[in-house]
Amino acid sequence: DAGITQSPRHKVTETGTPVTLRCHQTENHRYMYWYRQDPGHGLRLIHYSYGVKDTDKGEVSDGYSVSRSKTEDFLLTLESATSSQTSVYFCAISEDNTGELFFGEGSRLTVL
Amino acid sequence: KNEVEQSPQNLTAQEGEFITINCSYSVGISALHWLQQHPGGGIVSLFMLSSGKKKHGRLIATINIQEKHSSLHITASHPRDSAVYICVRNTGNQFYFGTGTSLTVIP
Repeated sequence: DAGITQSPRHKVTETGTPVTLRCHQTENHRYMYWYRQDPGHGLRLIHYSYGVKDTDKGEVSDGYSVSRSKTEDFLLTLESATSSQTSVYFCAISEDNTGELFFGEGSRLTVL
Repeated sequence: KNEVEQSPQNLTAQEGEFITINCSYSVGISALHWLQQHPGGGIVSLFMLSSGKKKHGRLIATINIQEKHSSLHITASHPRDSAVYICVRNTGNQFYFGTGTSLTVIP
């Protein structure tokens, strides 16, 4: 367990509103990831970070931005939420020493 | 290019049966992971392996690097094993996911 918490766990919002999801880790691992999980698609990478202020895009990054101002926090922002962004979002970390992958509990976002 | 293929996509078994889930990938890897996700639940890492075989309780994971193939076996399956099992290819610090195998174990 890498001490990963996500917030909020559930959110319902309206189209066009901004949304920020937070991922917090307690062990200061370097690599953090945001994925979305949708039926039939499995987990798809949105953005990832390899250190403070170091981030890069994944395969489904359009409409999302991220920030990492502290090692322990990785924020995912939807600037203007759309219904296609209704999904379950998972944060993950790759443990520095072993490369083992650990996930947060997930955040279920519904955009009406 | 991500190509992580799992089979079968869906699997139903009777309690006590021996279960095998297969995973094939097309490029070299740093490691291969198996994850478990219960319905409506979070994602748990079961195994991370780069060669050979690992065992944890009733679960066994094997990998053949030359053939680019891994298997997850469950011995004496139980209804609580009902979950989605996800194979993940790991190259450097990038991870590529299969779409999962949904397992249902009937009492």
